[in-house]
Amino acid sequence: GAGVSQSPRYKVAKRGQDVALRCDPISGHVSLFWYQQALGQGPEFLTYFQNEAQLDKSGLPSDRFFAERPEGSVSTLKIQRTQQEDSAVYLCASSQRQGASSTDTQYFGPGTRLTVL
Amino acid sequence: AQSVSQHNHHVILSEAASLELGCNYSYGGTVNLFWYVQYPGQHLQLLLKYFSGDPLVKGIKGFEAEFIKSKFSFNLRKPSVQWSDTAEYFCAVTSNFGNEKLTFGTGTRLTIIP
Repeated sequence: GAGVSQSPRYKVAKRGQDVALRCDPISGHVSLFWYQQALGQGPEFLTYFQNEAQLDKSGLPSDRFFAERPEGSVSTLKIQRTQQEDSAVYLCASSQRQGASSTDTQYFGPGTRLTVL
Repeated sequence: AQSVSQHNHHVILSEAASLELGCNYSYGGTVNLFWYVQYPGQHLQLLLKYFSGDPLVKGIKGFEAEFIKSKFSFNLRKPSVQWSDTAEYFCAVTSNFGNEKLTFGTGTRLTIIP
């Protein structure tokens, strides 16, 4: 596709509900990242996939957060038993992974704004 | 662990004024540096990046940034801003040890007055 897409764009959940956020990366991009952006803050890393392998999940704030990318393309971030502090914008980014990966440009999606009541 | 500081939280300028946004990072090793911009209602997009070579990097829309290793800084500049530059600007780093994740600063909100 033309860019990274995310759905839904907005999600309102009652505290305790489970939510699933979807990311469609740019076609052919090997690397996929999830970030969490709280109001007034910069994005913070959650987890990283290279193809279907989750290579880094050090940023996931609790075991209520789970991410998967089973076929190496679409990814889903799942939050179980949502809490008010989970309210944030969840951003997905993908990169092509050419050469030195740490210099690759990450292309961001529009984000999903999660509000937990 | 690496960290990024952006000391200007909100900057207000008139059109045609010159712009400099500060960015300082904390990391003992080699880093790669990025500036991302988020226009109102749009997603984050890359303005410019530095990973080696000439420390003065030119990006899109007339922006440039200078990497000063001795000061751990990567300030963003533009000689003459336009109303369309109104946006949130984020400085970010990755390390060179195969760790691809971006570490962002808290962002600077730029408002340009026509």
